[in-house]
Amino acid sequence: GAVVSQHPSWVICKSGTSVKIECRSLDFQATTMFWYRQFPKQSLMLMATSNEGSKATYEQGVEKDKFLINHASLTLSTLTVTSAHPEDSSFYICSARSRWGGSTDTQYFGPGTRLTVL
Amino acid sequence: KQEVTQIPAALSVPEGENLVLNCSFTDSAIYNLQWFRQDPGKGLTSLLLIQSSQREQTSGRLNASLDKSSGRSTLYIAASQPGDSATYLCAVRGNKLVFGAGTILRVKS
Repeated sequence: GAVVSQHPSWVICKSGTSVKIECRSLDFQATTMFWYRQFPKQSLMLMATSNEGSKATYEQGVEKDKFLINHASLTLSTLTVTSAHPEDSSFYICSARSRWGGSTDTQYFGPGTRLTVL
Repeated sequence: KQEVTQIPAALSVPEGENLVLNCSFTDSAIYNLQWFRQDPGKGLTSLLLIQSSQREQTSGRLNASLDKSSGRSTLYIAASQPGDSATYLCAVRGNKLVFGAGTILRVKS
């Protein structure tokens, strides 16, 4: 099956610093990638959708200047949390949809990145 | 706006029991519904995907049903095992993939 990786799997940073999380589709090309955030004991909330080569579409309430998303290739998307604060501490999960899939095609999920901001 | 509700929020059963997890959604205009498993601190593992035209899907001890008109799905787990302990998430796809809050399952040995 399709594999999506994330790096790092966990990161601890100081308040005010920026953190970059990578999401890669390892064995398929992903024209669309999704970034989710999950707080403890809550479900996944979609933050943004990114299409390769174009600007990401952010969900309501998600600050695009704080959560920078780059989808420069068909196998890599990055999420940068700028000027991180403790309230940004969360589990970030990316998901990728195959280049050949339609809008309803299966999304493949990465293993997640645990971000802790001190 | 699509809302997905999962009941119960948590469930504890002895090993060997059959169990049912419930998922309901408010907007029946969906393309498909998917059940996932999430272990603590880990990502998602897809268990079953039911297209809107289907009524059920089976994989091993798992059976998922879908009643799109009533906005409901169930995940049936037969002969539960301690290894089944995890959080089970239901997600429906319309314009976006919308998740429920999950059911935390604990199977006691």
